[in-house]
Amino acid sequence: SAVISQKPSRDICQRGTSLTIQCQVDSQVTMMFWYRQQPGQSLTLIATANQGSEATYESGFVIDKFPISRPNLTFSTLTVSNMSPEDSSIYLCSVGTEGYTFGSGTRLTVV
Amino acid sequence: KQEVTQIPAALSVPEGENLVLNCSFTDSAIYNLQWFRQDPGKGLTSLLLIQSSQREQTSGRLNASLDKSSGRSTLYIAASQPGDSATYLCAANSGNTPLVFGKGTRLSVIA
Repeated sequence: SAVISQKPSRDICQRGTSLTIQCQVDSQVTMMFWYRQQPGQSLTLIATANQGSEATYESGFVIDKFPISRPNLTFSTLTVSNMSPEDSSIYLCSVGTEGYTFGSGTRLTVV
Repeated sequence: KQEVTQIPAALSVPEGENLVLNCSFTDSAIYNLQWFRQDPGKGLTSLLLIQSSQREQTSGRLNASLDKSSGRSTLYIAASQPGDSATYLCAANSGNTPLVFGKGTRLSVIA
């Protein structure tokens, strides 16, 4: 199965700023998925990122707040924009090849 | 739309006990059922993947079963150890769609 490198692993950010999270996959994949895990909660899908097209966002998530790039078949970024303390979560990327694998997560704290 | 439910939400057992974690899903046209482990503040580790044509998978002390007709999966852990303490997440998808997660079972194995 695919191996995903995700960074940063954690960050503490000031409210109103933005953070970009990167995921690099060791093989080419058609779709990449971005999830959010709020404290004490399970994972919620933010969006699906296909190479060469705009990401598809789930209900409750919008492109202006969570812009996603997918420049090629092995890389994607998620930006959390204009952050507030409510954005404090773990953010994870995932790909589905022979089952789904996940990056190690980015633990974001907004102060 | 697939929905996944896990019970119990938390479980505490003495070391050495065998235990069962339960997962139910609403859409029987399931494609993959996957069990993950998550340690506090960390990413997800895939434990077992059951594809729609399979009924169970085993890895070491872990055994996962899938019953599509009843919409249920179980994760059996034999001879539990303190190192098994973690949150266990069940996730499923229908067709080539992203995984939908349950809220997890938080397991504590007491030495």
